Amino acid sequence: EDQVTQSPEALRLQEGESSSLNCSYTVSGLRGLFWYRQDPGKGPEFLFTLYSAGEEKEKERLKATLTKKESFLHITAPKPEDSATYLCAVQAAPGNTGKLIFGQGTTLQVKP
Amino acid sequence: DAEITQSPRHKITETGRQVTLACHQTWNHNNMFWYRQDLGHGLRLIHYSYGVQDTNKGEVSDGYSVSRSNTEDLPLTLESAASSQTSVYFCASSSPTGLNTGELFFGEGSRLTVL
Repeated sequence: EDQVTQSPEALRLQEGESSSLNCSYTVSGLRGLFWYRQDPGKGPEFLFTLYSAGEEKEKERLKATLTKKESFLHITAPKPEDSATYLCAVQAAPGNTGKLIFGQGTTLQVKP
Repeated sequence: DAEITQSPRHKITETGRQVTLACHQTWNHNNMFWYRQDLGHGLRLIHYSYGVQDTNKGEVSDGYSVSRSNTEDLPLTLESAASSQTSVYFCASSSPTGLNTGELFFGEGSRLTVL
């Protein structure tokens, strides 16, 4: 069964304190791995897509990496505005276009 | 700007009543999805559509139905609401072509409470 597990469930950081969020996945064939950000009371917002092991994507203070079993979202020198829930999702082969399996998310709080 | 809108944003109903949640997108996307989000379960797929007249069941489709009569709209109907269907519902859309088929554009969500 295709499955996505995120850890930790919650993470509290001080402003400037770098850390990483983990997303472990089990899928029959990975078509893509996606990271989303969700603010309270809002819908998820797309951040990154990773397609193959070794691939990395960066956006401001965020960097996503991918291996054959997991993905990490590294947050460098976070700011309070980075506080949100970060969701990881996978799209499994064979190509069910857009059908994603989501993890439960990691809620990040960055204190000033 | 293109967008995806859901209505109502908040709804309280009683057990056994029929409820319809609306979803309208102006991205001209063929793919549309309904997810529910609950504590401890994350986002779970209810129904999805790859185009007009196409509908498919997702992971948690029991008690829900959808119809797709045009590209822009995918209403979600709860035929007989149950307390277990209390949740936050998100509609999403994506383009069917290109690499980023998993880049979903989400609405703001509809919070449904069934008493």
